[in-house]
Amino acid sequence: AQSVSQHNHHVILSEAASLELGCNYSYGGTVNLFWYVQYPGQHLQLLLKYFSGDPLVKGIKGFEAEFIKSKFSFNLRKPSVQWSDTAEYFCAVNAWDSNYQLIWGAGTKLIIKP
Amino acid sequence: DTEVTQTPKHLVMGMTNKKSLKCEQHMGHRAMYWYKQKAKKPPELMFVYSYEKLSINESVPSRFSPECPNSSLLNLHLHALQPEDSALYLCASSLQPNTEAFFGQGTRLTVV
Repeated sequence: AQSVSQHNHHVILSEAASLELGCNYSYGGTVNLFWYVQYPGQHLQLLLKYFSGDPLVKGIKGFEAEFIKSKFSFNLRKPSVQWSDTAEYFCAVNAWDSNYQLIWGAGTKLIIKP
Repeated sequence: DTEVTQTPKHLVMGMTNKKSLKCEQHMGHRAMYWYKQKAKKPPELMFVYSYEKLSINESVPSRFSPECPNSSLLNLHLHALQPEDSALYLCASSLQPNTEAFFGQGTRLTVV
């Protein structure tokens, strides 16, 4: 069965620090990859997605992610975080042979200290 | 219009009550979803409608009953819920089943 692993459950950074959140998935076929963010008290929002093409994808709010097929990874990065980036971040994957059901990672709680 | 609208935002119901959650989108999306989310956890898929047909039911108890009256609307009928069903219920939609999902704000349900 497919699974998604997010390595860090809690990350605490100071403002202006660089961010990298890890995401690995277990599936050998073609996948679509997503990062969602849930700010406190708000709904899940799509940060970025990868379907095909350039493995470096840019999303909203200065986030980017790199798909490395050989490592089954889709890590999220931001060069300089802000206090407003405090949120829960979820990596998710879907594939054609599971009816494109989204498989979610456990989430990473990111806290940015002002 | 890029929103998925859910009503109500909050709901408190007793274990013998019957209530319904509503979801609406006007983006022309043909797949709609109900998810359940407990605090600090990822969403758990409950139901998927694709082209108004129920395509995935993740073995959800029968006290939850989905309905898709048309391509823009999705309902979740609740009956005889248990306190452990208290959670945030999220509706989402996507253009096609394999494209990105857009989520509503959710209904915070408390069963007493």
